[in-house]
Amino acid sequence: AQTVTQSQPEMSVQEAETVTLSCTYDTSENNYYLFWYKQPPSRQMILVIRQEAYKQQNATENRFSVNFQKAAKSFSLKISDSQLGDTAMYFCAFMRKGGSEKLVFGKGTKLTVNP
Amino acid sequence: DTGVSQNPRHKITKRGQNVTFRCDPISEHNRLYWYRQTLGQGPEFLTYFQNEAQLEKSRLLSDRFSAERPKGSFSTLEIQRTEQGDSAMYLCASSLWTGAGEKLFFGSGTQLSVL
Repeated sequence: AQTVTQSQPEMSVQEAETVTLSCTYDTSENNYYLFWYKQPPSRQMILVIRQEAYKQQNATENRFSVNFQKAAKSFSLKISDSQLGDTAMYFCAFMRKGGSEKLVFGKGTKLTVNP
Repeated sequence: DTGVSQNPRHKITKRGQNVTFRCDPISEHNRLYWYRQTLGQGPEFLTYFQNEAQLEKSRLLSDRFSAERPKGSFSTLEIQRTEQGDSAMYLCASSLWTGAGEKLFFGSGTQLSVL
C-alpha cells in the first residue's frame, strides 16, 4: 500500500515571499503520478500541479513548482511570490498508474499567507 | 463545463436515520469517485465507478453504505442507520479516464453531521 506523509501541519509566509511545502511518499510502484491539491475555506479541492514519475523534469505552473526526487521519494511544492489567496490547506497525493487510479492523500499542510 | 456539483452542501441528521447525497460529475467524464474527509485528515477513497459499473470499494465502505451511478451519469451515496462516526465531509470527483493519470476534478463536498 502507498502512504503519503506531510510532516508540516502548519506553515506561514509573508506575502510576496517564497515557501516550500514538504511531502514524502512510500511505494514499490514504478509508474505513478504525484499531485498537489489546494483546499481553500470553500472546501473545493483544486489541482495545483501534477508530476509524472517517469519524467525527470520538475513540473511548473506559473508561481508553483515542484522538486521531485524519485530516489528519495520526495515531492516538495515551492510557491513563489506568495499571495493572500494562496492561504489554504495543501494536500500532496499519490496515484498509481493503472487500475482505479485513485488518489492517496497526505494529511495536509495548512498554509497562511500574512499581509 | 460547469464543474462537479454536489448536493446538499450540508446535512444534519439524527443517529439511526438514512441519508442520501448526490453528485453530478462533469459531463462526459467516465469515472466518478467518492471520498470521505474527516477533520484534520486528507480525503480517503471510498469507491469509484467507470461509467455505470462500480469497480472498487474501500474497506472503509461498510455495508451500511451504498453507491450507485445509474446510466453512468450522476451518482448517489446512501448511508443507512447513520452513526456519529459517519460525520465527515463526503467529496465527489470525476475524470475523463484514458489510462494516463488524468486529473480528478472535485466538487465542494457534502458536510454530514450526525447528532
